Amino acid sequence: DTAVSQTPKYLVTQMGNDKSIKCEQNLGHDTMYWYKQDSKKFLKIMFSYNNKELIINETVPNRFSPKSPDKAHLNLHINSLELGDSAVYFCASSQDLAGGAYEQYFGPGTRLTVT
Amino acid sequence: GIQVEQSPPDLILQEGANSTLRCNFSDSVNNLQWFHQNPWGQLINLFYIPSGTKQNGRLSATTVATERYSLLYISSSQTTDSGVYFCAVTSHAGGTSYGKLTFGQGTILTVHP
Repeated sequence: DTAVSQTPKYLVTQMGNDKSIKCEQNLGHDTMYWYKQDSKKFLKIMFSYNNKELIINETVPNRFSPKSPDKAHLNLHINSLELGDSAVYFCASSQDLAGGAYEQYFGPGTRLTVT
Repeated sequence: GIQVEQSPPDLILQEGANSTLRCNFSDSVNNLQWFHQNPWGQLINLFYIPSGTKQNGRLSATTVATERYSLLYISSSQTTDSGVYFCAVTSHAGGTSYGKLTFGQGTILTVHP
């Protein structure tokens, strides 16, 4: 039973398209996150949601729109994809915000390639 | 915001060797995690260690929060230990962190048979 799952695992698409990545966690956590890993392996947070409410938005272009239908799901929708969006996107979850003191668990990642 | 620096950037070992990876951070933290990113890209939790010492098999970690560093020890390394090791922290530096993990740049470990 996968704790944090993402679909799809790989996504190849053309510039200008709109795509979504889905994330689900079965850990009963209240907080979920999206991180981006660039080609140099650097990982950076994009968004976090707590109980379906957006908490962190790290100056991400508004072509990226997260949506949390419930506490167990956090999806990432990307409009008008650009070459620079090519990266690996990781979803994560933790028990609660509480100043960020709780351990975060990561999904397997989605490798997005924009051609 | 908080700065996280890892050293060394690259490490090449023969199977069976021991190693120490270091993570320095620029402010007080309330969360520190070590991850292993394997060659398939998965981020595997190794330790949640904002302070103190923990051990898990051949791996152990120590965080000295007052001196703002953490160490990851790998003993009797195996080829399956290869990959990238990340340190990541959450801090209140510059305001409430809301769980934002700031990652170091990673240490690339290669273990040869």
